[in-house]
Amino acid sequence: EPEVTQTPSHQVTQMGQEVILRCVPISNHLYFYWYRQILGQKVEFLVSFYNNEISEKSEIFDDQFSVERPDGSNFTLKIRSTKLEDSAMYFCAKRQGTEAFFGQGTRLTVV
Amino acid sequence: KQEVTQIPAALSVPEGENLVLNCSFTDSAIYNLQWFRQDPGKGLTSLLLIQSSQREQTSGRLNASLDKSSGRSTLYIAASQPGDSATYLCAVRHDKIIFGKGTRLHILP
Repeated sequence: EPEVTQTPSHQVTQMGQEVILRCVPISNHLYFYWYRQILGQKVEFLVSFYNNEISEKSEIFDDQFSVERPDGSNFTLKIRSTKLEDSAMYFCAKRQGTEAFFGQGTRLTVV
Repeated sequence: KQEVTQIPAALSVPEGENLVLNCSFTDSAIYNLQWFRQDPGKGLTSLLLIQSSQREQTSGRLNASLDKSSGRSTLYIAASQPGDSATYLCAVRHDKIIFGKGTRLHILP
């Protein structure tokens, strides 16, 4: 059983549409991250979420982005109005002790 | 601002060779360093985690070292196999995790 499960594995959306990416950390943890990786580029930090609040966010994480933990287990990243440049792999991660565990990612394609 | 650099960017070696991947980071105030493997189009698999107080960690044919004061880590892969072909990412953590660009490794059968 994977430590972190992300759904969907691949999403195609039209520019301007809203998307919600989901992460299920399986066990009860407090510390989560979202990262993204544009094709051929490095994995970039978006936001960290601790105890149901944003603890740090990068300059990439602008008003188009939001994170929630709506039901205590799922952890979501919402992009309000997608742009072509939002096309990337989005990774959710949880911190367990000192180690980070990443999901398999959601490939978002904006057309 | 923490910067993580990985050298080389790409490496091709014949099967069976031992090899070393290098990682350097600019800010030594880290809690730990992790090495990940990423297959094309896939997620991140954690290989080894070294705490800031540790010097090295081993798992099977993999050995990772950490010299925190000089901001360096190496990943040593012994007796390489074609299945080791992947991108290897180094990441350091203080509050957030900062990744290098990775080393794309190709093991020639």
